[in-house]
Amino acid sequence: DQQVKQNSPSLSVQEGRISILNCDYTNSMFDYFLWYKKYPAEGPTFLISISSIKDKNEDGRFTVFLNKSAKHLSLHIVPSQPGDSAVYFCAASPYSGGYQKVTFGTGTKLQVIP
Amino acid sequence: EAGVTQFPSHSVIEKGQTVTLRCDPISGHDNLYWYRRVMGKEIKFLLHFVKESKQDESGMPNNRFLAERTGGTYSTLKVQPAELEDSGVYFCASSRTLGPSGANVLTFGAGSRLTVL
Repeated sequence: DQQVKQNSPSLSVQEGRISILNCDYTNSMFDYFLWYKKYPAEGPTFLISISSIKDKNEDGRFTVFLNKSAKHLSLHIVPSQPGDSAVYFCAASPYSGGYQKVTFGTGTKLQVIP
Repeated sequence: EAGVTQFPSHSVIEKGQTVTLRCDPISGHDNLYWYRRVMGKEIKFLLHFVKESKQDESGMPNNRFLAERTGGTYSTLKVQPAELEDSGVYFCASSRTLGPSGANVLTFGAGSRLTVL
């Protein structure tokens, strides 16, 4: 039973345009949501997170939106750059007394075309 | 600070053989996690150590997998005997002790790719 779902395996976007990556979840106990970026032959690296009490968090070109009623979050990258080409993983965790099990999705491969 | 280090980066073994993967977390990180990714699938949780204790091993596939973290420092993940379906990339990650709030941001190693023939 996959609790974090990324239904788009890939996405292509022109340089300078907006990239929107989507993620859906099923577990209403999730308190935190995170996005990781992964380049080939490297481990995932943390990009941005959002708490369930917020609906938006912004960090430079990256903004994450959370819609709790729809159990949906999205990552917006504006403007997209060729260096953003990578696999993006959505992740989520409940808060439980200091121990948080982080559950990941299947990833979306983003290609930014120069 | 040094990152999370994993060894070997790639291992090719025959079905039935044994492989041991090693992870050195960031110094001072009490939390250590093992994850696995089979191509195209999710990064799947295997287990979580807090210092030397197993906090959660609900993701371990079966008793052919044995994880240890002696002394609360580095960790090993042994697969014995290996089967074809064990192929994938094994990621180790570590994080600090969590406070009363805030997301659990994991720092990942580059992964150990295991190929079982």
